[in-house]
Amino acid sequence: DTAVSQTPKYLVTQMGNDKSIKCEQNLGHDTMYWYKQDSKKFLKIMFSYNNKELIINETVPNRFSPKSPDKAHLNLHINSLELGDSAVYFCASRSGTEAFFGQGTRLTVV
Amino acid sequence: QKEVEQNSGPLSVPEGAIASLNCTYSDRGSQSFFWYRQYSGKSPELIMFIYSNGDKEDGRFTAQLNKASQYVSLLIRDSQPSDSATYLCAVSYSGGYQKVTFGTGTKLQVIP
Repeated sequence: DTAVSQTPKYLVTQMGNDKSIKCEQNLGHDTMYWYKQDSKKFLKIMFSYNNKELIINETVPNRFSPKSPDKAHLNLHINSLELGDSAVYFCASRSGTEAFFGQGTRLTVV
Repeated sequence: QKEVEQNSGPLSVPEGAIASLNCTYSDRGSQSFFWYRQYSGKSPELIMFIYSNGDKEDGRFTAQLNKASQYVSLLIRDSQPSDSATYLCAVSYSGGYQKVTFGTGTKLQVIP
């Protein structure tokens, strides 16, 4: 079974659209993250939730809105997509030392 | 501004050689240090973590931490072509829920 799963794996959409990425973890971890990785491989934290509560909110446009219906799920909704939003988005969960990453969602805005 | 810095590379080493990857961090309050490996098109995977000054060895991998110099490194002995990947240094800061901040990564190429 996949520990951290994201859907979809690929997402191609036009500027101005609204899209969502879903993430689920079956590890029983309390903490989940969203990271954005740009074309230069820089992995930048966007949000972190602990037990459904937002604890880290980096300088991210408010077009990005995370939602955690329960501690096993952390979804990311993006409004009014822009070209600069094109990147790979990784969900991760963590308990203790190791952060486990999902397979990533490659978002391409055209 | 908290930062984690790495040389982006690529770092090219011949097969069988020692690859040395370096990372510096700016926040002296940092407590935990991680090395992740990321193959092209894949997600990062943890290969080493270290908390205390000194060396930590795991197989062909050795992590070295020097908190006074704010420096952490990863040595890969007997480098193999399968080690070719991007290596991400990550730092967890003190307090709160341990935000993990990543460096920009170093691309390693092991030449057969």
